[in-house]
Amino acid sequence: AQSVAQPEDQVNVAEGNPLTVKCTYSVSGNPYLFWYVQYPNRGLQFLLKYITGDNLVKGSYGFEAEFNKSQTSFHLKKPSALVSDSALYFCAVRDINTDKLIFGTGTRLQVFP
Amino acid sequence: EAQVTQNPRYLITVTGKKLTVTCSQNMNHEYMSWYRQDPGLGLRQIYYSMNVEVTDKGDVPEGYKVSRKEKRNFPLILESPSPNQTSLYFCATGQEGGYTFGSGTRLTVV
Repeated sequence: AQSVAQPEDQVNVAEGNPLTVKCTYSVSGNPYLFWYVQYPNRGLQFLLKYITGDNLVKGSYGFEAEFNKSQTSFHLKKPSALVSDSALYFCAVRDINTDKLIFGTGTRLQVFP
Repeated sequence: EAQVTQNPRYLITVTGKKLTVTCSQNMNHEYMSWYRQDPGLGLRQIYYSMNVEVTDKGDVPEGYKVSRKEKRNFPLILESPSPNQTSLYFCATGQEGGYTFGSGTRLTVV
């Protein structure tokens, strides 16, 4: 069965510092990996995806993610955090048979001024 | 503007009283899906639809029904709601995992 794990419930970082939100995956075959963000009282918004190609994927709002096949990880990164980045972040893997997204439990990112 | 519209945004109801949460998309996508979000559990898929008149169960379908009579609409029906269906519900549409989500419906069943 396919799954993703987000080992941290919360990540705290100071504004201006780099941030990393961790995600590991377990799939059979090639992974289709995604990051979504949820701001308070809003639906999820697509940030970026990895299908194939370069291991470093660039997405919206200055975020990027690094795909690492040997470590089965897809960590979300940003070089310089903003207070407005504070939100709930979800990693997901796509089941290609049903088109279902299988989500992790989410990581709350708190950026302090 | 590409949109997924859910109604209502908030709903408090009593156990056993049938309710429908509507979802409408203007992007002409064939695929639509319903998820529920619960703390510590992330999002779990309830039902999905690959096309008109084609629906299938997700991971947590018990207590829910859906219909897909036309491409743009995908209502979620709770025939006899129970307190364990208190949750935040999201409708989504798109393709190949790049989904657009509605703003959510926060349902409380008392």
